[in-house]
Amino acid sequence: AQSVTQLDSHVSVSEGTPVLLRCNYSSSYSPSLFWYVQHPNKGLQLLLKYTSAATLVKGINGFEAEFKKSETSFHLTKPSAHMSDAAEYFCVVSPRGSSASKIIFGSGTRLSIRP
Amino acid sequence: NAGVTQTPKFQVLKTGQSMTLQCAQDMNHEYMSWYRQDPGMGLRLIHYSVGAGITDQGEVPNGYNVSRSTTEDFPLRLLSAAPSQTSVYFCASSSQGWEQPQHFGDGTRLSIL
Repeated sequence: AQSVTQLDSHVSVSEGTPVLLRCNYSSSYSPSLFWYVQHPNKGLQLLLKYTSAATLVKGINGFEAEFKKSETSFHLTKPSAHMSDAAEYFCVVSPRGSSASKIIFGSGTRLSIRP
Repeated sequence: NAGVTQTPKFQVLKTGQSMTLQCAQDMNHEYMSWYRQDPGMGLRLIHYSVGAGITDQGEVPNGYNVSRSTTEDFPLRLLSAAPSQTSVYFCASSSQGWEQPQHFGDGTRLSIL
């Protein structure tokens, strides 16, 4: 069985401090993993993806994520938060060669940035 | 580039009415899908398509129909609206399979009274 767990429903950090959004997954097969960002009243936008190349994946806007197979984790980080990073973030797992019905979305983490 | 375009952006319906949510993409993507997003429940798959003429049901298909007559368009029809269908609906498309990133529209916010 597959699952995605975003360990925090809400994270609040001060502007200029590091961001850590945690995601654990469970998958029977080697999956593709994604992080998406959703700003208010907008659709989801791809931040980064892991597809079995480098385990450290760099995305847009200074975000990166590290795939750790031994810990089944794919945490999202950013060294220095900016006010524009305030949004909802979704971790998504998609097993290789499967159908749309096997894609699992995490429940989301709302990131707030304090001035 | 337009990407994935959804219309309308907002809609209010009365219980029992029908309507069609439009979705069009200009990226020549074969794979398209419809999701609904409800507070605390993430995104749930309604229907999906792997090409013109091919559709299948997702996790929550009841009360919805889809068709895919062209690569570009993937409309979602509500047959008889119910308050439980109040939600934000997202259309998405991707190339070369579901293990590739999906491109999302900005959503349709639907309220059923």
